[in-house]
Amino acid sequence: KNQVEQSPQSLIILEGKNCTLQCNYTVSPFSNLRWYKQDTGRGPVSLTIMTFSENTKSNGRYTATLDADTKQSSLHITASQLSDSASYICVVPFLDSNYQLIWGAGTKLIIKP
Amino acid sequence: EAGVTQSPTHLIKTRGQQATLRCSPISGHTSVYWYQQALGLGLQFLLWYDEGEERNRGNFPPRFSGRQFPNYSSELNVNALELEDSALYLCASAVGGRTDTQYFGPGTRLTVL
Repeated sequence: KNQVEQSPQSLIILEGKNCTLQCNYTVSPFSNLRWYKQDTGRGPVSLTIMTFSENTKSNGRYTATLDADTKQSSLHITASQLSDSASYICVVPFLDSNYQLIWGAGTKLIIKP
Repeated sequence: EAGVTQSPTHLIKTRGQQATLRCSPISGHTSVYWYQQALGLGLQFLLWYDEGEERNRGNFPPRFSGRQFPNYSSELNVNALELEDSALYLCASAVGGRTDTQYFGPGTRLTVL
């Protein structure tokens, strides 16, 4: 079954600290994996996309990693800011005839001052 | 460049009524996706329209329907509203076809009383 699972479900850290969010997927065949950030009550915004050949990609204080062998990805946030409080969602496309996206349930991150 | 727009921002209905939600994609985008997000939960795929045709449908009852107009804007209709239909309804647009680069609108918050 094609699934995307994220952990932890929620995370609370102090401002300025680092954190790592995890995404495990069973979608096959694999083409890419995308991380979205969703502020409360708003639509998701794409942070980064990882293709099969990419191991690490950075976008400012966000660094995504991908291990296609173990089917795991992580999103590392450095020097967290209050504005990082949001849900972070991992998405993997399932390449059937309808090209369905498999969405993870997300990790809710709360940054405390 | 204008982003994806949705209307209304908020919608309050009573059980049994019908709701109509609207979405205007980014100029040049031909695909429109609809998602339901209940409070505190992940995105659930509803419908995908491309070039005026319904391309894929999620696991929702037939009372969830929609259409895409010649200008690529879209409408989501929910008939016989139930209390559990209360959610944030998100629309996303993409360039077209099988691209997975979706750009989301701000959503419509539907409350069913």
